Amino acid sequence: DAKTTQPPSMDCAEGRAANLPCNHSTISGNEYVYWYRQIHSQGPQYIIHGLKNNETNEMASLIITEDRKSSTLILPHATLRDTAVYYCIVRPSTGTASKLTFGTGTRLQVTL
Amino acid sequence: SAVISQKPSRDICQRGTSLTIQCQVDSQVTMMFWYRQQPGQSLTLIATANQGSEATYESGFVIDKFPISRPNLTFSTLTVSNMSPEDSSIYLCSAEGQGLYGYTFGSGTRLTVV
Repeated sequence: DAKTTQPPSMDCAEGRAANLPCNHSTISGNEYVYWYRQIHSQGPQYIIHGLKNNETNEMASLIITEDRKSSTLILPHATLRDTAVYYCIVRPSTGTASKLTFGTGTRLQVTL
Repeated sequence: SAVISQKPSRDICQRGTSLTIQCQVDSQVTMMFWYRQQPGQSLTLIATANQGSEATYESGFVIDKFPISRPNLTFSTLTVSNMSPEDSSIYLCSAEGQGLYGYTFGSGTRLTVV
């Protein structure tokens, strides 16, 4: 699976947009970009995924660059409950290679 | 997406003993996984639990230490054998979600070995 690089930590004021970057320069054509988050003492939670088009759901937006070598997760109006570790993962859509391999993630701290 | 029940949620065990962790999914799933999360660290995949065959272990993990069962498409167990304090971690079960919507995780088992 392609390796991802994320900043170790970020701060965001409550109510502001949180933009979390991820580099995945070795991504293959059949690999999707997935984002998960882990709130303290809980299991990871799926947020969003995409292949090459930008995606939006009720939780977040995912912006993938045209060359697919990087992406940004956007939480449009961060709240204190969004404080968590966010993981960017790339993997094939199906098959035995589609296990999730977690990197170190970005620890997002949302403050008042 | 699938809902996972994992138990026990936490346990304190004596060194040298074994603990079996159970993972129950509310729907049939093809793939189930077991992860370990050591204090302050990210998640590390232990193995893929295969239904009807032996689990597939990642580098650094062996069947004698972490035997896994997968008797059907909704249930799996992980045993942590001959425990030492270094095994103190959170152990998480994961199952394939629907379609491309990623994987669902249990809430984890917090294990402390004394």
